[in-house]
Amino acid sequence: AQSVTQLDSHVSVSEGTPVLLRCNYSSSYSPSLFWYVQHPNKGLQLLLKYTSAATLVKGINGFEAEFKKSETSFHLTKPSAHMSDAAEYFCVVSDGGSQGNLIFGKGTKLSVKP
Amino acid sequence: DTGVSQDPRHKITKRGQNVTFRCDPISEHNRLYWYRQTLGQGPEFLTYFQNEAQLEKSRLLSDRFSAERPKGSFSTLEIQRTEQGDSAMYLCASSLGAGNSNQPQHFGDGTRLSIL
Repeated sequence: AQSVTQLDSHVSVSEGTPVLLRCNYSSSYSPSLFWYVQHPNKGLQLLLKYTSAATLVKGINGFEAEFKKSETSFHLTKPSAHMSDAAEYFCVVSDGGSQGNLIFGKGTKLSVKP
Repeated sequence: DTGVSQDPRHKITKRGQNVTFRCDPISEHNRLYWYRQTLGQGPEFLTYFQNEAQLEKSRLLSDRFSAERPKGSFSTLEIQRTEQGDSAMYLCASSLGAGNSNQPQHFGDGTRLSIL
């Protein structure tokens, strides 16, 4: 069965410093992986997706993630945090069926200090 | 904006009442999903439609829950005889897919259900 583990429930950074949100996955085959962001009382917005093409995936708003099969990781990074990045971030794996149901991690809350 | 639209945004009801939520997907999307998100957790899959056919239901979807997508466009999710544990955010998503190929899912802003 597919699953994801987000290693930190809360990450706090200062504005202008790098962001690292950690995610490990478990999958019996080559997975499709995603990062979604959720601002308070809003739906989820897709940041980026990995689907077995390039291992370094660039997303919106300056975020990127690197797929490392040997480490079963898909960490999300951004060189310089902005106040507007404060939100909940979810690492997600597709369940592998043809319908593409998504399996979410528990989320990492990112706080950005001025 | 032609994103996924959900109505209502908030619903407060007494335990035991029935509630119905609506989701309007992106117009060209043939696949529609319902998820439930409780406080402090990631969303959990409930059910999935391809066009008007409901192809999968999670075991989270008790017999008090029913979902429809009658014309392959909008969908409704009904909860009968609501319980305290039904309090959650109900999220709808849509995508374009064919066979084993899936485009990413686009989410609505959700309906927050509070059971008194």
